[in-house]
Amino acid sequence: QQQVKQSPQSLIVQKGGISIINCAYENTAFDYFPWYQQFPGKGPALLIAIRPDVSEKKEGRFTISFNKSAKQFSLHIMDSQPGDSATYFCAASFSTGNQFYFGTGTSLTVIP
Amino acid sequence: NAGVTQTPKFRVLKTGQSMTLLCAQDMNHEYMYWYRQDPGMGLRLIHYSVGEGTTAKGEVPDGYNVSRLKKQNFLLGLESAAPSQTSVYFCASSRAKQGPDTQYFGPGTRLTVL
Repeated sequence: QQQVKQSPQSLIVQKGGISIINCAYENTAFDYFPWYQQFPGKGPALLIAIRPDVSEKKEGRFTISFNKSAKQFSLHIMDSQPGDSATYFCAASFSTGNQFYFGTGTSLTVIP
Repeated sequence: NAGVTQTPKFRVLKTGQSMTLLCAQDMNHEYMYWYRQDPGMGLRLIHYSVGEGTTAKGEVPDGYNVSRLKKQNFLLGLESAAPSQTSVYFCASSRAKQGPDTQYFGPGTRLTVL
């Protein structure tokens, strides 16, 4: 059973547009939600993370929006660039553990 | 500072053969993890270790064994490879910290089982 559901599976965005990737979870005990970025042939790398005590976190062009009541969180990439083309994974973890539950990934393509 | 390295990068096995994947980290991290990545399935945790000499099962441990004899190394073994184990395998490590912390991933090993 997938602990974290991610959509869409793939996304094509024009340069300068906004990319939005959504994730949903069921277990309310999750309290750490990172996003990882993976380029072809490389391992995933942490992009940005949020804890449920805030509804939004912004780092440069990347923003996580968190809706605790809906058990959903999303990644917004503003002014998307071709260099953002990668696979993005959301994940969730418990406060007392180190095990991450990853979503199925979103392949983002930003076209010039 | 190489971070997390994995050996080998690619491997082709025949059904029933065995092999060991090596993960090494030079960040003095306590925790290490093995994941497999399959299309449409994301990253799934196979086994992990919270310190030298300790290992624990993750989501998909069947068919794999692990060992953490040294803090910097985490080995993943396949005793009798099956085509279902064709995948890309990633190792990761993180600091010892109360609660979740950033996991640093290696570059991956692409394994094909014929």
